[in-house]
Amino acid sequence: GAVVSQHPSRVICKSGTSVKIECRSLDFQATTMFWYRQFPKQSLMLMATSNEGSKATYEQGVEKDKFLINHASLTLSTLTVTSAHPEDSSFYICSARDRAGGVNTGELFFGEGSRLTVL
Amino acid sequence: DQQVKQNSPSLSVQEGRISILNCDYTNSMFDYFLWYKKYPAEGPTFLISISSIKDKNEDGRFTVFLNKSAKHLSLHIVPSQPGDSAVYFCAASFTGGGNKLTFGTGTQLKVEL
Repeated sequence: GAVVSQHPSRVICKSGTSVKIECRSLDFQATTMFWYRQFPKQSLMLMATSNEGSKATYEQGVEKDKFLINHASLTLSTLTVTSAHPEDSSFYICSARDRAGGVNTGELFFGEGSRLTVL
Repeated sequence: DQQVKQNSPSLSVQEGRISILNCDYTNSMFDYFLWYKKYPAEGPTFLISISSIKDKNEDGRFTVFLNKSAKHLSLHIVPSQPGDSAVYFCAASFTGGGNKLTFGTGTQLKVEL
């Protein structure tokens, strides 16, 4: 199946610093990527939809100035957590839709996730 | 407002027996449902899906049943294997929703020897 890769898989940073997480589709082109976060024992919550070449669409309650998303190419989307604080500690997961895929949302492929810990 | 609910946070089943994971939803606009399997510190992997025009979809050991009137779906795994031990997420989307998935809270399945 298609592969989506996230980097880094784990990052620890000091409060106030910014952290960038990359999401790459390795063997397909992704016009749309989705960023989720998951708190322990909770559901995956959609944060934003990243569209190649245009601005991301953020879900209600997600601060766009805090969670900067850039989808500069058909194979790469980045999420930057700016001025991170301990409450931003979470598991961030991206997913990508194959550009050639149809409306079957089984064609959403997920990355391995990135564990962010803010001290 | 949790539109997709998995009321059982955990389930323990013996190897070889059937595992039944349940999921309920509240949004009647949902017309496509998926199950994902997730291991710790990894992203979810797609398992099986069902469209609202069907009431059953089968793929090997995995079968998903959909009861639209009850807004309920279930995932059956038979026979269960130790490697099936993982967290299972139910997810839903609707036509025109831009492939956005709404996830349930997950059920931790443990298959014991």
